[in-house]
Amino acid sequence: SQQGEEDPQALSIQEGENATMNCSYKTSINNLQWYRQNSGRGLVHLILIRSNEREKHSGRLRVTLDTSKKSSSLLITASRAADTASYFCATGGGSQGNLIFGKGTKLSVKP
Amino acid sequence: ETGVTQTPRHLVMGMTNKKSLKCEQHLGHNAMYWYKQSAKKPLELMFVYSLEERVENNSVPSRFSPECPNSSHLFLHLHTLQPEDSALYLCASSQVGFGRGDIQYFGAGTRLSVL
Repeated sequence: SQQGEEDPQALSIQEGENATMNCSYKTSINNLQWYRQNSGRGLVHLILIRSNEREKHSGRLRVTLDTSKKSSSLLITASRAADTASYFCATGGGSQGNLIFGKGTKLSVKP
Repeated sequence: ETGVTQTPRHLVMGMTNKKSLKCEQHLGHNAMYWYKQSAKKPLELMFVYSLEERVENNSVPSRFSPECPNSSHLFLHLHTLQPEDSALYLCASSQVGFGRGDIQYFGAGTRLSVL
């Protein structure tokens, strides 16, 4: 069953602008992860935030987590054309490492 | 290069064919996964293998048959597929337990077209 749901479904911005994507989920989680997928390729892990964390940074990425609202956001600052990809949130915590992915946000960064 | 290799990258097959997808991970992980990604749908988890034992089968039709001969290799055997099975099939691996947070490493996928 679908757990994470990203918003917006598609986002188009100019190079240099910031991109914000949101994810909502339904049940309790141990952690929430963000992945990136270039067209027709596999997913690449970007960042993981645990349920007891509120904010995490990695380079130009900033992730927030609000467990009371069951939501997370991914901010990409100073976007580049190479950031063009689909971004997925995934919730985990199953004993076998199962992840449940949302439908993703398709980000287009125009040069 | 993520350490997970999938072959072939592209596959076209007729509905009566039998083919296999292969996945190999070089990361020393103890769990491997098959996912199906169709257009405009969330990534669907098909099978999970942990320590070479199948631990999850998400109501996948029997025309898909997984095999995990060892912790580094995972196969997906395909037979009498339907056109709606056309999709990108992704393999992933992870090291479950030990507080690692279940980060998964994905292969580049096999683009399957069923005619």
